[in-house]
Amino acid sequence: ETGVTQTPRHLVMGMTNKKSLKCEQHLGHNAMYWYKQSAKKPLELMFVYNFKEQTENNSVPSRFSPECPNSSHLFLHLHTLQPEDSALYLCASSLDRVGNSPLHFGNGTRLTVT
Amino acid sequence: AQSVSQHNHHVILSEAASLELGCNYSYGGTVNLFWYVQYPGQHLQLLLKYFSGDPLVKGIKGFEAEFIKSKFSFNLRKPSVQWSDTAEYFCAVNPMNTGFQKLVFGTGTRLLVSP
Repeated sequence: ETGVTQTPRHLVMGMTNKKSLKCEQHLGHNAMYWYKQSAKKPLELMFVYNFKEQTENNSVPSRFSPECPNSSHLFLHLHTLQPEDSALYLCASSLDRVGNSPLHFGNGTRLTVT
Repeated sequence: AQSVSQHNHHVILSEAASLELGCNYSYGGTVNLFWYVQYPGQHLQLLLKYFSGDPLVKGIKGFEAEFIKSKFSFNLRKPSVQWSDTAEYFCAVNPMNTGFQKLVFGTGTRLLVSP
């Protein structure tokens, strides 16, 4: 059990669809992250939230829209995606956003864009 | 561009063989260093970390890593691997110049240990 839960585990969507990924953590952490994991590429940091405030947007296209209503929940809203957006999307949390606290990852959502 | 390099993409070993996975980074300032592991069908989890002090750090399951500042390296080692070590291993670096968490990952090394 990771302490970080992501739903759904798998998602197939068309390029005109709108869907959302959900992440929930009950570890008492204050920072949450979205990462993208593509085949043969390093994990890419997408967004960072600290105490519900977005502190980092790593040049992510606007078709990805994050939302953090509280420190325990993080969403990634998806619309008009491209096939190259197909990847494993990982949510992570840490106690704080200072670099000393390790990340705790969820199992990820495997996204396929058709 | 600043990056994290893992030289071996795939490693195949027999049980009881020794393991060393390379990791080099290109950041010049203070860094925090991590190795994460992802077992088949499981989430990424922390294996070990280095922040400061003794450059030889020990993690879970008999793994250790050595930080060599002059070589910008943080290689992972295990004297004798087991079949259960089959997994993907990721080196990650957090450059501390920004003061906050911005982990940069390597591409990962898939380790297959044959029984």
